[in-house]
Parts: sequence; C-alpha cells; structure tokens
Amino acid sequence: DGGITQSPKYLFRKEGQNVTLSCEQNLNHDAMYWYRQDPGQGLRLIYYSQIVNDFQKGDIAEGYSVSREKKESFPLTVTSAQKNPTAFYLCASSGSGEQYFGPGTRLTVT
Amino acid sequence: AQSVTQPDIHITVSEGASLELRCNYSYGATPYLFWYVQSPGQGLQLLLKYFSGDTLVQGIKGFEAEFKRSQSSFNLRKPSVHWSDAAEYFCAVPPYGVKAAGNKLTFGGGTRVLVKP
Repeated sequence: DGGITQSPKYLFRKEGQNVTLSCEQNLNHDAMYWYRQDPGQGLRLIYYSQIVNDFQKGDIAEGYSVSREKKESFPLTVTSAQKNPTAFYLCASSGSGEQYFGPGTRLTVT
Repeated sequence: AQSVTQPDIHITVSEGASLELRCNYSYGATPYLFWYVQSPGQGLQLLLKYFSGDTLVQGIKGFEAEFKRSQSSFNLRKPSVHWSDAAEYFCAVPPYGVKAAGNKLTFGGGTRVLVKP
C-alpha cells in the first residue's frame, strides 16, 4: 500500500537531548513537509522540501533541522535549542497539490 | 499571501442532525481549497478539494463543500452526522491560491466537532 509512515508513534526524551523523527513515503512525491501541532493551535509548518537535497524553513524552524538525501525520506531533528519540544509532529508529502499525511509522532520531553 | 479562517472553534451536533462548518479565505481570485479531517491522535485525511468548475464539491464520508466567491467562503456540510464524524476539521489553501506541485498549505485553526447521541 502506498502511504507515509512515521516512527515511532510515541517518543520520550530527556531535556537537552536531540531526537530525530522519521518520515518515509512511497508515493513517489517530490515535496515533503513537517508540521507541529499543539492543542488548540492548528498546524504550523516547520520545514518543507520541494526536491531532494533542498529544503526551506517554514514558520517555526528555530530549534529544528532536517535533511533530504533521498526522495523517500525527510527526517526531522528536534534539537536541544527548541524551547518547547513537546508536541504532536506530522509529516506530509505532495505530488500535485493536495498533501497526504502520516499518522504522526507524539514527542514528550521532560 | 493567502489566509484562511475557521470562525467556530467547537461545534456540538446531535447524531442524525445536519452539520455545517465555516471556512473563509482572504484571496480575491478563485483559490485552490481543501478540507481535511483529523481523528484524535491521528494524521489528517483529505475530505475534498476544489480547484475549479462546479462550485459544489463532493467528498468522502458523505461530506460536500460549496465554494462561494461572493462570500469568500468554502463551507463544509453533511446532511446527517454519524457518531464517527466526531473529529477536528481543517480548511486549507496554498499561498496565493495557486495550484502548484510542492506548494505549502496554510491551515485554518480547525473546528472540533462533538457528536451527541
């Protein structure tokens, strides 16, 4: 089945540690996106990539980093510089307009 | 750039009743428009999309939406709500309303729908 996978579904980390969230798609989409979702705040764009080896900052990129070495993969690293990392993270991909979303990773940092 | 507003944060509806969720956009020309649904703890699922043509768009799960240029709106409707429709609904639009591969989307703040038995 074609789709987007995110792993793990739940992730726990101690404050001060970097953590990498995985996102893989087999839809052959060129574009991929990372969003952060907090209760009552909708979706906010962190980073996006329209093509391999290229990516752009979204609205809230500070404290995050990404790479796009393969078309299928767009991992997100939440660094220790992110002041409030506990959130629900959603990955999406797009081929020709609409975006398709993965199931999300809930990150808790204590 | 495009912006999108969902005026209702919460809506409570009885099972079997009709549902209408409001979405207003800021762009003057006819934009691309999307509605997504998110069940608790899940990703977003595309319900329907409007690109051009017929202003009444049919989607999945019995939902439809109507594009009204004069009101800058793209409201989502369902004639008879089921308990499984309890979820959060998001309206979205790309920058400048333009259809293009790889475009970002701007999302509304979402409307949470509660369904009473």
